[in-house]
Amino acid sequence: LAKTTQPISMDSYEGQEVNITCSHNNIATNDYITWYQQFPSQGPRFIIQGYKTKVTNEVASLFIPADRKSSTLSLPRVSLSDTAVYYCLVGAMDSNYQLIWGAGTKLIIKP
Amino acid sequence: ETGVTQTPRHLVMGMTNKKSLKCEQHLGHNAMYWYKQSAKKPLELMFVYSLEERVENNSVPSRFSPECPNSSHLFLHLHTLQPEDSALYLCASSQGLAGGVYNEQFFGPGTRLTVL
Repeated sequence: LAKTTQPISMDSYEGQEVNITCSHNNIATNDYITWYQQFPSQGPRFIIQGYKTKVTNEVASLFIPADRKSSTLSLPRVSLSDTAVYYCLVGAMDSNYQLIWGAGTKLIIKP
Repeated sequence: ETGVTQTPRHLVMGMTNKKSLKCEQHLGHNAMYWYKQSAKKPLELMFVYSLEERVENNSVPSRFSPECPNSSHLFLHLHTLQPEDSALYLCASSQGLAGGVYNEQFFGPGTRLTVL
């Protein structure tokens, strides 16, 4: 059974680039890697998804090495509003019926 | 507005009570999920429905009973709960089954449940 591990917390400053890494050593062939953001009193919100190499959208980039045993969420030029908990999710319900969530990384952005 | 609503937002119940949580999605999605979120623990997937059929039940105690009458509504019926069941219960929906490409989950705000 796949397990995802991520740092409990991280601090950074406005304008910096933040990288959060998730470890998923037992990732299955069909699994995708997805990252979500959660603010207090809200449900998680999708940020980005990838399978391998690099994916970029308007808010983040996702780097996945060739062995896919880890992934790194990169947030460019963070602001105070990026303070939130970030979750790594590994799985594919349409193939192996698994969705394995990490425990979340609490990111605090300071002025 | 996420398109997924949950009621009630807060619920306090005794161990002998019976209550129900309601989730409604206005996104035209085909899959719906119940999650349990406890402090400092990963989200726990409880139930998954696809096209109103249950496709996954992750060894959830029978005191939790889901119901999906149609693709827009999902209920979680609760009875004889334990204090350790106190948590945030999140509902989510996705176009197809989650985890695969383009099947991101849209979450509701959750129901904060306290069992006394």
